[in-house]
Amino acid sequence: AQTVTQSQPEMSVQEAETVTLSCTYDTSESDYYLFWYKQPPSRQMILVIRQEAYKQQNATENRFSVNFQKAAKSFSLKISDSQLGDAAMYFCAYRAITDSWGKFQFGAGTQVVVTP
Amino acid sequence: NAGVTQTPKFQVLKTGQSMTLQCAQDMNHNSMYWYRQDPGMGLRLIYYSASEGTTDKGEVPNGYNVSRLNKREFSLRLESAAPSQTSVYFCASSEARDQEGVQYFGPGTRLTVT
Repeated sequence: AQTVTQSQPEMSVQEAETVTLSCTYDTSESDYYLFWYKQPPSRQMILVIRQEAYKQQNATENRFSVNFQKAAKSFSLKISDSQLGDAAMYFCAYRAITDSWGKFQFGAGTQVVVTP
Repeated sequence: NAGVTQTPKFQVLKTGQSMTLQCAQDMNHNSMYWYRQDPGMGLRLIYYSASEGTTDKGEVPNGYNVSRLNKREFSLRLESAAPSQTSVYFCASSEARDQEGVQYFGPGTRLTVT
C-alpha cells in the first residue's frame, strides 16, 4: 500500500519570503503522478502543481515549484514570494499510473500561515 | 461549465437520522469519488465509481452507501448517522485513463452529527 507523509502540520512565512513544504511517499511502483492541492478557508480544493514520475524535470507553475527526488521518494513544494492569498492548507497526493480507477492517496496536510 | 457540484453545503443531523449527499459533474468523467476530511488525517477515500453502474469500497466505507445513478451523478448515503461521521465530505471526478490524472473536487459538505 502506498502512504503519503507530510511531517509539518504548520509552517509560517512572511510575505515576500519563501517557504518549502515537505512530502514523502512510499511506493513500489515505478510510474506515478504526484500532486499538490491547496485548500483555502473557502474549503475548495485547488490543484497547484502536478508532476509525472517519469519526467526528470521539476514542475513549475509561476511562484510554485517542486523538488522531486524519485530515489528518495520526496516531493517538496516551494512557494516563492509568498502572498497573503497563499495562506491555506496544502495537501500532497499520490496516484499510481497503473491504478485504472485513478485513486489518490493524500497526506495529512500542512497549514501555511502568511504574516504581513 | 460548473465542474463538480455538491449539495447541501452544510447539514446538521441527529444521531440515527439518514441523509443523502448529492454530487454531479459536467465534465463527462468516468470516475467519481467520495472522500471525508478530518483534522490531521487528510482526505480519506470512502467509495469510488469507475463507471456508471459500478462502485467499490475505499479506505473507510463503513456506515456509508453509494449510488452511481448515471455518468453525471454519484450520491453518498448515511443510513443511520453517528457522531463519528461528523466531517467534511468531498466529491471528486476524473478521467482516470487520461494522461493528466487530475481529480477535480466539489466545494464540500460540512456535516455535523449531534
